[in-house]
Amino acid sequence: NAGVMQNPRHLVRRRGQEARLRCSPMKGHSHVYWYRQLPEEGLKFMVYLQKENIIDESGMPKERFSAEFPKEGPSILRIQQVVRGDSAAYFCASSPIRQGVTEAFFGQGTRLTVV
Amino acid sequence: DQQVKQNSPSLSVQEGRISILNCDYTNSMFDYFLWYKKYPAEGPTFLISISSIKDKNEDGRFTVFLNKSAKHLSLHIVPSQPGDSAVYFCAASGTTDSWGKLQFGAGTQVVVTP
Repeated sequence: NAGVMQNPRHLVRRRGQEARLRCSPMKGHSHVYWYRQLPEEGLKFMVYLQKENIIDESGMPKERFSAEFPKEGPSILRIQQVVRGDSAAYFCASSPIRQGVTEAFFGQGTRLTVV
Repeated sequence: DQQVKQNSPSLSVQEGRISILNCDYTNSMFDYFLWYKKYPAEGPTFLISISSIKDKNEDGRFTVFLNKSAKHLSLHIVPSQPGDSAVYFCAASGTTDSWGKLQFGAGTQVVVTP
């Protein structure tokens, strides 16, 4: 668990601002997944990325949300013009190869609060 | 559309006794099921999984049972220990889903009392 680093751990944004959440996968991992947990709910899949490729973004809201995983550096989940409903815990997971979800390790999450 | 349901939001059990957590699903395309454990302010940690070709998988104190006809799975923890106090999530994936796409239940908060 400790190997996947997410920052910041807590992020407060005013409505209309942009939020950038970063995820550094475990060393050697080239697959990254983003999940969102709303209060009192389970985690919801958002997007699956490989380096420089979006594999599955079927869980991403159509507007304001984007994700990238560049060749160098962390994966970024970007939320533009945040609204109160974006307040949630955002979790990133990474895995070394495309072989079974049990290979994925989750980070500690970023708790976004929109005020 | 909640395809994975954990209908018990909380469970209290005495130390040493068995904890039984239940999970129901609606999508018959799900073929792989997992249980995760989550402590406050931490990410989920994988516990145990089961493929749809099996009806039972055991790993130490943790056993998962799958009843495909009922679209139901359960996690048994025996004996329960204080360190087991956490939120437990049931998750599922299907043949039509991409590798990392899991459907999670809402979780069950387990409290193990001395």
